[in-house]
Amino acid sequence: NAGVTQTPKFRVLKTGQSMTLLCAQDMNHEYMYWYRQDPGMGLRLIHYSVGEGTTAKGEVPDGYNVSRLKKQNFLLGLESAAPSQTSVYFCAVMGMGSPLHFGNGTRLTVT
Amino acid sequence: KNQVEQSPQSLIILEGKNCTLQCNYTVSPFSNLRWYKQDTGRGPVSLTIMTFSENTKSNGRYTATLDADTKQSSLHITASQLSDSASYICVVRGGSQGNLIFGKGTKLSVKP
Repeated sequence: NAGVTQTPKFRVLKTGQSMTLLCAQDMNHEYMYWYRQDPGMGLRLIHYSVGEGTTAKGEVPDGYNVSRLKKQNFLLGLESAAPSQTSVYFCAVMGMGSPLHFGNGTRLTVT
Repeated sequence: KNQVEQSPQSLIILEGKNCTLQCNYTVSPFSNLRWYKQDTGRGPVSLTIMTFSENTKSNGRYTATLDADTKQSSLHITASQLSDSASYICVVRGGSQGNLIFGKGTKLSVKP
């Protein structure tokens, strides 16, 4: 039972490159979230999904896109990476009455 | 504006000592409050949840309190261990849409 798995764990991009972060869960939870965590800022919500095929914007959605084609997967895409997107990205899942369960993060550096 | 403020920002204590972390919030309406522990390089892990009617809840050496009238919560750690070194994040669920509002965390360092 892996819970919430994020891939990759680390990535270095050059400005303008694109990439996709994958979040996979085996908890069968409906709600999935993408957060970014920066020093002194706490966790900020990028996008979230309340079920398969649905997505919505969070607090800081600009420069990111998401897709939830399957219930167990939530993808976060960066179409044209910028240095301001250097951060640690966390995926989290939640079911009714349960706490957020987080993955262990993807550390992204954009040079 | 719905906000969660944590204090102190960082704290250093000696192993075996007790400490208390604070969380003040302005979220309304209030649904629940959770404390998470985040070890370096890992995702946060839930420690405890407090609902409106609960004043105190314990999880081993961790005791959380909630005063819904003053909108304050505290996390008390007893007989600290080196493994308690982590960031502790307060998260309040509430507001008109039931959003999760995160504090910026308190970084605790336990020294031998």
